[in-house]
Amino acid sequence: DAKTTQPPSMDCAEGRAANLPCNHSTISGNEYVYWYRQIHSQGPQYIIHGLKNNETNEMASLIITEDRKSSTLILPHATLRDTAVYYCIVRVAYNTDKLIFGTGTRLQVFP
Amino acid sequence: GAGVSQSPRYKVTKRGQDVTLRCDPISSHATLYWYQQALGQGPEFLTYFNYEAQPDKSGLPSDRFSAERPEGSISTLTIQRTEQRDSAMYRCASSSRLGSGNTIYFGEGSWLTVV
Repeated sequence: DAKTTQPPSMDCAEGRAANLPCNHSTISGNEYVYWYRQIHSQGPQYIIHGLKNNETNEMASLIITEDRKSSTLILPHATLRDTAVYYCIVRVAYNTDKLIFGTGTRLQVFP
Repeated sequence: GAGVSQSPRYKVTKRGQDVTLRCDPISSHATLYWYQQALGQGPEFLTYFNYEAQPDKSGLPSDRFSAERPEGSISTLTIQRTEQRDSAMYRCASSSRLGSGNTIYFGEGSWLTVV
């Protein structure tokens, strides 16, 4: 199964862009990259996902490298409410359907 | 329902007792997943259903764990003869259909404490 590697923690000033990196060097060609975040013990909240192309929605942008071995989640204007653990995930959908969570990045947004 | 609903939210049980957790997925969602999350860690896959079929239960830690979704809607996760190491958050999630490219929505989870 493909796995992801993320820095354990990052800081970001409120109003600035938060760029969260993720390595997924063993990802297979048909496996999507998903990002979720978790605030305290709440359920994981979906942010965005992509396969090859860069994606953008109202929450964030996802930049995937051409070789698909890494990606970056961008929160364009971080707020204090964006403080959370961010998980970069590979979704395995061959003979199964499961999200493989890594250890996540704890993002602290400060005033 | 509007979101994935799980019950009970909190359960304390004595070691050796059986416990059953319930998940009510988003209405009409075909696919339902169960994950286990220990404190300070990310969720780990247990099993999933596509309607009432259970194609993959490889993540279930032991034969004390079982899950059902008899009518392709509500699902239960049962842990028999609970042990202290079973203490964790159990999360249910659902998706409109199988496969990558669509969104998986998580519930708020059921906290299980085995004493």
